Amino acid sequence: GAVVSQHPSWVICKSGTSVKIECRSLDFQATTMFWYRQFPKQSLMLMATSNEGSKATYEQGVEKDKFLINHASLTLSTLTVTSAHPEDSSFYICSDAGGGSTDTQYFGPGTRLTVL
Amino acid sequence: QKEVEQNSGPLSVPEGAIASLNCTYSDRGSQSFFWYRQYSGKSPELIMSIYSNGDKEDGRFTAQLNKASQYVSLLIRDSQPSDSATYLCAVNSGGYQKVTFGTGTKLQVIP
Repeated sequence: GAVVSQHPSWVICKSGTSVKIECRSLDFQATTMFWYRQFPKQSLMLMATSNEGSKATYEQGVEKDKFLINHASLTLSTLTVTSAHPEDSSFYICSDAGGGSTDTQYFGPGTRLTVL
Repeated sequence: QKEVEQNSGPLSVPEGAIASLNCTYSDRGSQSFFWYRQYSGKSPELIMSIYSNGDKEDGRFTAQLNKASQYVSLLIRDSQPSDSATYLCAVNSGGYQKVTFGTGTKLQVIP
C-alpha cells in the first residue's frame, strides 16, 4: 500500500491564528488526495478532495475559505485552517488512493489540532 | 444520503474466540468495500478490501460480502488482545476514489 506522511503530528495554537498541515505521498505521485476530520468518538468525515494542479472539491458544509487546500505538486497537499477556533479542534487525517485505478485509501498518521 | 451503518459496540469477545463485525450500506450501486482498523488516537489502517460477493480470507481475517442484502462483515479468528480497536467499514459511494465510512465498532478482546 501507499505510504503517506503528515506534519506536524500535533499542534496547539491560539484562537484566531492559522495552522498549516502537510500531507506527503512518499512512494508514488498522487494526483488526488483526501482530507478528513474526526471528532472524538465519531467517524471520519470527508472534508475535501485535493486535486493536483486544480481547485479542491469541498464537501457540503465545509467552508472553503476557512479550510484552504493547496495541492501544488504530485507528492504534497496542504490544509490550512485559517482563523482557528476551539471548535476546529479535531484529528485531521489525509489519505491517498495508492495509485492506479484502485479506490483503496491509505491514511497518513494524522494531525491532532488543539485550539485554545 | 448514502449511509454506512455499524453497531458502535463495544463488542467483547474472549481471547481465542471469533469476533464478528457487521456493516450495512444503503447505496445498492456500491462496488467497493473496505475494512479498516483504528487504534485509539491513531489513524485508520487498511485490513481488507472486497469487491465480489462471497468470502475473502487473509490470515485470521475473513471479509464477507452480500450485495443482495447490502451487507458486509468481518470475521476475526483466534482473536488477540492486540485486536482490540475500532473497526471501520467503508464503502465506495460514488465518485472517483471517494468512500463513506461507518461510525465504527469498538472491539474488546478479553485476555
